[in-house]
Amino acid sequence: DTGVSQNPRHKITKRGQNVTFRCDPISEHNRLYWYRQTLGQGPEFLTYFQNEAQLEKSRLLSDRFSAERPKGSFSTLEIQRTEQGDSAMYLCASSLEGGHTEAFFGQGTRLTVV
Amino acid sequence: AQSVTQLDSHVSVSEGTPVLLRCNYSSSYSPSLFWYVQHPNKGLQLLLKYTSAATLVKGINGFEAEFKKSETSFHLTKPSAHMSDAAEYFCVVSEPADKLIFGTGTRLQVFP
Repeated sequence: DTGVSQNPRHKITKRGQNVTFRCDPISEHNRLYWYRQTLGQGPEFLTYFQNEAQLEKSRLLSDRFSAERPKGSFSTLEIQRTEQGDSAMYLCASSLEGGHTEAFFGQGTRLTVV
Repeated sequence: AQSVTQLDSHVSVSEGTPVLLRCNYSSSYSPSLFWYVQHPNKGLQLLLKYTSAATLVKGINGFEAEFKKSETSFHLTKPSAHMSDAAEYFCVVSEPADKLIFGTGTRLQVFP
């Protein structure tokens, strides 16, 4: 296993279009997280899963954002009707269940909305 | 609710001098604390973690951090900076079985 994999690495889209990102976690990890990072800021929590169950979604996340993890393995993050403010790096991380385990991050998907 | 504050947005040091990156946290429970590093155009990499064992934690590349409950701090140090240490550093807090909360980051510059 080579770690957390995210695809695509870069995405340029026109405002109003829908986009979908994919994250493949480390295979034995049952926790999966999505974060968003803008330039000069720390990663901001979006949502996370325990297996296929979505445990929490950030209050800051609009209804245009949805995430799934249908079989408890890979996850997708969809943004509908993209806006220029959605331009950011979208990071995925995975970890083992438990209170003191670190998360391993993917390289991220950089979204540019034009 | 848990939160973390990184007290310096930028730190500049000369190569070979000590590094201190400051972090304070807030948590209702016994938290886990982490430091991650992010080099330009690279992914986040774990430097070290505190999980209620030894209060002085050693990490990779000569970094270490000390958990001080009375001061709610988890400062990152390194005795001698190297040019390759130049990067963005994030302090992270997590309550048991909960998500990771990141600080706003500290950009470390190392001058020759």
